[in-house]
Amino acid sequence: DGGITQSPKYLFRKEGQNVTLSCEQNLNHDAMYWYRQDPGQGLRLIYYSQIVNDFQKGDIAEGYSVSREKKESFPLTVTSAQKNPTAFYLCASSISRYDGYTFGSGTRLTVV
Amino acid sequence: AQRVTQPEKLLSVFKGAPVELKCNYSYSGSPELFWYVQYSRQRLQLLLRHISRESIKGFTADLNKGETSFHLKKPFAQEEDSAMYYCALSTIYNQGGKLIFGQGTELSVKP
Repeated sequence: DGGITQSPKYLFRKEGQNVTLSCEQNLNHDAMYWYRQDPGQGLRLIYYSQIVNDFQKGDIAEGYSVSREKKESFPLTVTSAQKNPTAFYLCASSISRYDGYTFGSGTRLTVV
Repeated sequence: AQRVTQPEKLLSVFKGAPVELKCNYSYSGSPELFWYVQYSRQRLQLLLRHISRESIKGFTADLNKGETSFHLKKPFAQEEDSAMYYCALSTIYNQGGKLIFGQGTELSVKP
């Protein structure tokens, strides 16, 4: 069953802590993306990676970090520097810009 | 700058009525346009791409370069069409094939 798996589904973080959201795909896609989804704001790009060991900042990268050590994996770390981290985070992958994205089921992060 | 605008946050129609979800984009070249749908408690999924000119679940969308629009239409709405819909744009200038999304339109189909 090919697809993208995000974990955990729900995550609670105390203020001042870093947390890492997992994203794994078995679609053999080169490109992977992290978006943040907030009500009324659509999806905003945090980071993306076109190839292993390379990634680029998106529109709202401040307070976030990523790594791409394997083709299948693109974890996102939400650092304590992110001022408003409570949100729904979506990971996606793509084989080409003509095909669109395949999305994971998302992680809902809440800061308590 | 490239941008996607979905002017309606919420669109409410009755079952069997025609529905049109508006999408306008800003880009002067040849865009790749997509519609994504997110049903309640389900993941975001691709509904259709303009390049394939397909009809999915009775929905169609035509690219109008003159009006820079890619409106999503369905002649007879069903209750199961209730969902969040996002229009998205990709261009050759978008490094990494990244998509630019609109703010989304929530479609509510009432019985």
